[in-house]
Amino acid sequence: GENVEQHPSTLSVQEGDSAVIKCTYSDSASNYFPWYKQELGKGPQLIIDIRSNVGEKKDQRIAVTLNKTAKHFSLHITETQPEDSAVYFCAASIESYGKLTFGQGTILTVHP
Amino acid sequence: DTEVTQTPKHLVMGMTNKKSLKCEQHMGHRAMYWYKQKAKKPPELMFVYSYEKLSINESVPSRFSPECPNSSLLNLHLHALQPEDSALYLCASSQDPAPTGELFFGEGSRLTVL
Repeated sequence: GENVEQHPSTLSVQEGDSAVIKCTYSDSASNYFPWYKQELGKGPQLIIDIRSNVGEKKDQRIAVTLNKTAKHFSLHITETQPEDSAVYFCAASIESYGKLTFGQGTILTVHP
Repeated sequence: DTEVTQTPKHLVMGMTNKKSLKCEQHMGHRAMYWYKQKAKKPPELMFVYSYEKLSINESVPSRFSPECPNSSLLNLHLHALQPEDSALYLCASSQDPAPTGELFFGEGSRLTVL
């Protein structure tokens, strides 16, 4: 089955800095890669996703890049703010299969 | 309405109790999910219902029994649980069963088994 590895497990940055979280996946058939943000006491919330026919996607301060050959994808957050502090999970799936495989999560702390 | 509502938010039960967790969505989504999440870990898929039928059971012990009474409701019946079953139980829904799009998660039911 699919295996997703996520690094780093914790990330601490100063407000205004950029943050990068990286994930690798094992199944070359995976073609859908979402990123979820989980704030304390809440369920995960989708912040951005990318499909394998696209190499990069941006949404304001958030961007995701995908390298299918190397089987890795990354989340980039620019101009970080304290409210970006949360746990971030990457995930991978084969569309039409019905199961997301999550990475282990990254605890992001943005210091004011 | 883009919410998935879960009740109760907190539940404490003994190993001999029977209890249920409830989940509701009114987005017209055709797939609903139960996930289990331990502290500082990612969500683990337990069950998937697609068009009100159980489509995926991730080899979950029979002390967890899911039920989908209609397209808006999802229940998880709990019986004879073990202390290691203590966790946050998350319900989610998606428009399509794939899922090829966003999973909408509820805030979870935090279960403690004594």
